[in-house]
Amino acid sequence: EADIYQTPRYLVIGTGKKITLECSQTMGHDKMYWYQQDPGMELHLIHYSYGVNSTEKGDLSSESTVSRIRTEHFPLTLESARPSHTSQYLCASSDLRTGPYEQYFGPGTRLTVT
Amino acid sequence: RKEVEQDPGPFNVPEGATVAFNCTYSNSASQSFFWYRQDCRKEPKLLMSVYSSGNEDGRFTAQLNRASQYISLLIRDSKLSDSATYLCVVLYSGAGSYQLTFGKGTKLSVIP
Repeated sequence: EADIYQTPRYLVIGTGKKITLECSQTMGHDKMYWYQQDPGMELHLIHYSYGVNSTEKGDLSSESTVSRIRTEHFPLTLESARPSHTSQYLCASSDLRTGPYEQYFGPGTRLTVT
Repeated sequence: RKEVEQDPGPFNVPEGATVAFNCTYSNSASQSFFWYRQDCRKEPKLLMSVYSSGNEDGRFTAQLNRASQYISLLIRDSKLSDSATYLCVVLYSGAGSYQLTFGKGTKLSVIP
């Protein structure tokens, strides 16, 4: 069973607020990812990290930013939330040593910006 | 053209039926292929990898046709618990990095 956690699970917040979505994993995985998924749509990679102090943007442009100061922690921040940011955000991690390209997903954060 | 295309369904099948899902991918340099399962309002989970020679895991059979850039998933003897969305996932790696591309998914409903 994967040990990857996301908080909050649900967040309803007003426009213009700064928010941080938390993601932590206890598996020691070096690779972590953030995906965005709208209902009935495919997952889109918005950020990824191959290790501490490494962050890259994914194939979907996003106004969010990420940091990777510790191996187990990969928070995502929106400086000023807008209704267009309403979506589900899924964090994932993987480690080539334990499973070839298998990504373990957290339960997700459903964000609604009013 | 989308990189990974799937029939969105829904596929509504009775218990015990056999159902097949198809997936096509556009990047001929793609290297690895997977099927993930995503339950409603839940996170995706790896169901099985897809190997060139085809592979089977219990009631599930996955096949790959590189020439046609086509992947399939066959589920035999469908159970109610198989109801979910099945995501076709393609991996491309190069220049020291790799990326998974997810299809939109095919929704399966198994009916009693």
